[in-house]
Amino acid sequence: AQKITQTQPGMFVQEKEAVTLDCTYDTSDPSYGLFWYKQPSSGEMIFLIYQGSYDQQNATEGRYSLNFQKARKSANLVISASQLGDSAMYFCAMREGSGNEKLTFGTGTRLTIIP
Amino acid sequence: EAGVAQSPRYKIIEKRQSVAFWCNPISGHATLYWYQQILGQGPKLLIQFQNNGVVDDSQLPKDRFSAERLKGVDSTLKIQPAKLEDSAVYLCASSPRFWRGGFYEQFFGPGTRLTVL
Repeated sequence: AQKITQTQPGMFVQEKEAVTLDCTYDTSDPSYGLFWYKQPSSGEMIFLIYQGSYDQQNATEGRYSLNFQKARKSANLVISASQLGDSAMYFCAMREGSGNEKLTFGTGTRLTIIP
Repeated sequence: EAGVAQSPRYKIIEKRQSVAFWCNPISGHATLYWYQQILGQGPKLLIQFQNNGVVDDSQLPKDRFSAERLKGVDSTLKIQPAKLEDSAVYLCASSPRFWRGGFYEQFFGPGTRLTVL
């Protein structure tokens, strides 16, 4: 089974609207972490936000928030007030176990912001 | 602060040839990673170094891939001989081993795009 599933290959969103990118995960480890990365056309992966499995509140970082639903094993990224510069590939990733640094990535969602 | 540097940015080779990629991590970062990103997929970890020691190379195809980290700083990833399926972007990342309340942040370089013909 896929550890990280991103079911939206591509999304088009109007500028200034909010957008939700879906991510579901699969693990039997009670300690895990979930990440979102942005990959612009320049190629480097840019860290956006992190959610730990024991965190009680949903993570937020500026315009980014993570909608963490543990029972459903979902960790959707919400971008508020989208901007043209948000156009990029977005990857959900997971690390399993405490202190483990190995990341497993999903296949990504290509987000295009329309002016 | 300078980011993770990688070279070359692009490389085209024939199958069965050899190729090497170079990575210079952010100064002071103890951990270095090499990822392989095949078109349409997310990155896959190939090898992780802590200083100059290997922490995890479970997904490195050791019959053709090798990697080293010289003096715990720069690193090279080599493929010998290359196959068509090795066409991918090879990403290098480094981490300062600073626990950010649940994780070690990884900082990525721009990658090397390899095409094997």
